[in-house]
Amino acid sequence: QVQLVQSGAEVKKPGSSVKVSCKASGGTFSSYAISWVRQAPGQGLEWMGGIIPIFGTANYAQKFQGRVTITTDESTSTAYMELSSLRSEDTAVYYCARDLRVATITYDAFDIWGQGTMVTVSS
Amino acid sequence: QSALTQPASVSGSPGQSITISCTGTSSDVGSYNLVSWYQQHPGKAPKLMIYEGSKRPSGVSNRFSGSKSGNTASLTISGLQAEDEADYYCCSYAGSSTYVVFGGGTKLTVL
Repeated sequence: QVQLVQSGAEVKKPGSSVKVSCKASGGTFSSYAISWVRQAPGQGLEWMGGIIPIFGTANYAQKFQGRVTITTDESTSTAYMELSSLRSEDTAVYYCARDLRVATITYDAFDIWGQGTMVTVSS
Repeated sequence: QSALTQPASVSGSPGQSITISCTGTSSDVGSYNLVSWYQQHPGKAPKLMIYEGSKRPSGVSNRFSGSKSGNTASLTISGLQAEDEADYYCCSYAGSSTYVVFGGGTKLTVL
């Protein structure tokens, strides 16, 4: 069974960047879409973007265009999400999540989730 | 302001059935049969309960069902149990520009 294990909590200054990793183990990595979804404290879920490793091209939510970069390293079955120009509103738990279906770029069915990474932006 | 509209809260007694609505537009829910529902307990990652409108992933109880009419999708939970108390989020594909939109979430209380 595939598991997604994310990197640990981060505390960042406003204006800086953060890079969160998501390592897959126990199954196929390259053929399934990986998305990044965040959740601010006490708030709902928000899709940031996604990628299918074998295709290599990421798709982003318009809100984050220009500020987020999603990449993968197939050799280590790891996905990364880098968010720049951080502000206090970016304080949230960041999840990676894998789509249920092979090579589907609608990013609408996340059946395997990482444990979440808390990113705190504070001066 | 979330793209999809859900009631903030619903409640029901054990054994009863409840329905959570998720209203979108003709650009998302109304155009695609790609609505999913997630259950989230406090401090936990979300869990996929329904995808493609009405399909259940392996291991999800058949007490959970999904449907859609026009721009509104619905999640019905029958035979409510205490462990169903959680937040529920709907999600829809919204085309190759926006991609994915979520609802604001509904808190289910089992009385």
